[in-house]
Parts: sequence; structure tokens; C-alpha cells
Amino acid sequence: DGGITQSPKYLFRKEGQNVTLSCEQNLNHDAMYWYRQDPGQGLRLIYYSQIVNDFQKGDIAEGYSVSREKKESFPLTVTSAQKNPTAFYLCASSMGPETGSQHFGDGTRLSIL
Amino acid sequence: AQSVTQLDSQVPVFEEAPVELRCNYSSSVSVYLFWYVQYPNQGLQLLLKYLSGSTLVKGINGFEAEFNKSQTSFHLRKPSVHISDTAEYFCAVSDRGYQKVTFGTGTKLQVIP
Repeated sequence: DGGITQSPKYLFRKEGQNVTLSCEQNLNHDAMYWYRQDPGQGLRLIYYSQIVNDFQKGDIAEGYSVSREKKESFPLTVTSAQKNPTAFYLCASSMGPETGSQHFGDGTRLSIL
Repeated sequence: AQSVTQLDSQVPVFEEAPVELRCNYSSSVSVYLFWYVQYPNQGLQLLLKYLSGSTLVKGINGFEAEFNKSQTSFHLRKPSVHISDTAEYFCAVSDRGYQKVTFGTGTKLQVIP
């Protein structure tokens, strides 16, 4: 079955360390997204990409970086510049601009040691 | 700019009773509207969407929502809830032709046996 795979499910980061969250999809979707979820705040958009080799900042991009070298993959790096990285991170994809409905992975929970 | 307001952060309801989760949106252009459900430690799953046409939209798991343009609302309803409906529900809006989706802060539905 097609879907989105996020790994790892749980991740721990030490102070000053960069960590990379993986997101892979086999839905043949063009667009991919990264969201951050904090309790009571809903989902906030970090980065999104509508085609390979192109991506745009979302509402809270500071301290994060992404790449989109392949259609299937959209990894997110949480850099040491992100001072409050503890959160639940969700990756999503969608087919195209007409629908806007998104498919989500099961998330990665990042915590600070 | 677009925004979404979910008026209730938590809604307790007895099993087999009806429920309505409220959602209001703000946008200067025509929109697409969505409801998603999230179970603990999982990603979001699309319940239903309004793109055009009939203002009453039926989704999975017996849920439905009605688009009311004059009141800028898109409330979610279910005539009889089950224990398995206990989850968090997110309303979302996107401008037509634009893939950036704005999510509300979520409503936790607690079904009481």
C-alpha cells in the first residue's frame, strides 16, 4: 500500500547537535510538507516543496533546513539554531494544487537530552 | 491571509449521543475546507473535504459537515458517537489553487461510556 514513512519514531538530541528526520513517500505526490505540532497550537508549517529541487519556507522555518533531491524524499534537519526543538514533527504530501488534501506520516517525536 | 478558529478545545459527549465540533474560517478568497482526525501518537487522517458543489459533505466513519458561506463556518457533526471516535479533530482551510493549508488548534473529542 502507498503511504508516507517517517523515521525514526522517537529521536533524542543533545545540545548543539543537528539531527535529521526522514520522510519518504511512495504515493507519487508532487508536493511535500513538514509541520511542527505542539500541544494546543495545532500544526505549524515549517517548509514545503511543490517540485523536486525547489522548496519554500513556511511560517516557522528558522532553525530548520530541508532538501528535495528526489520526488520521494523530503528530509528535515533540525539545527542547533532551533532553541526549542522538542515537539512532534509531521510530514505530509499531496497530489497537486487543486485538492489541497494531504496524506500524513505517523510522525517523529523529538526530545532534548 | 487565511485563518481558522476552532471554538472548543475539548468536547465531552456520552456514547451514542450526537456531537457537533465547530469551525469558523476567515479568508479574502474562495477556499477549500477540510476536517482531519488524529489518534494519539499518529499522523492526521482526512475525514472529509469541501471543494465545491453541495454544501453538505459526507465523510468517513459517519461524519458529515456543512459549509455555510454566509457564516464562514464548516461545522463537523455525527448523529451518534462511538468510543472509537475519541480523538483530536482539526479543521483546515486552503486558498483555491494554493497548496498552503492553515490548520486550526484542534478539538479533543472525549466519548464517555
